[in-house]
Amino acid sequence: DTGVSQDPRHKITKRGQNVTFRCDPISEHNRLYWYRQTLGQGPEFLTYFQNEAQLEKSRLLSDRFSAERPKGSFSTLEIQRTEQGDSAMYLCASSPRDPGRGLRNTEAFFGQGTRLTVV
Amino acid sequence: AQRVTQPEKLLSVFKGAPVELKCNYSYSGSPELFWYVQYSRQRLQLLLRHISRESIKGFTADLNKGETSFHLKKPFAQEEDSAMYYCALSGGYQKVTFGTGTKLQVIP
Repeated sequence: DTGVSQDPRHKITKRGQNVTFRCDPISEHNRLYWYRQTLGQGPEFLTYFQNEAQLEKSRLLSDRFSAERPKGSFSTLEIQRTEQGDSAMYLCASSPRDPGRGLRNTEAFFGQGTRLTVV
Repeated sequence: AQRVTQPEKLLSVFKGAPVELKCNYSYSGSPELFWYVQYSRQRLQLLLRHISRESIKGFTADLNKGETSFHLKKPFAQEEDSAMYYCALSGGYQKVTFGTGTKLQVIP
């Protein structure tokens, strides 16, 4: 599978523990996004990288959340001192460089997500 | 602020019946609108976007700026269309806002 891959697929952790998720985008995609999805809701934007630069962060991303993309390839999302409210599906997506054809945005290719359960 | 509203959580139709999934948006500028689909146990994927004016798997969607709508339509539903459908909007570079989704259930 040459699509976006996320690891792990599932994570169960105790409240107060730290967790880290990894996302490997499609190679040569310079844009990478993190979303969070809870039951009955659509994906909510968390943050966006262009290459290694984190260009936008949602207010949803509290101080306990940090995301990195050190070499402009894979990305990690860390949650410190997890809370039960952090339980959700965390989605990663990537998109290619220049859409051309006058498009401002390109198709976002999503991974299968990491399901986090905080107990 | 940009907002996407999908008023129906669930839409059930019989096979062969027409389908219309509603989407309304709120954005002060000139948005780009998308429909994403998620089939059972599969990842979220793009179905179509308004700027392409394409018909994908028999689905079409027209952007109506006057009514701020981007409804998804298909004249004859098929069982394989059963899935979650998300309307999405981008008002600026790269940030995409999703609606809460509509589950389409096609009854054989």
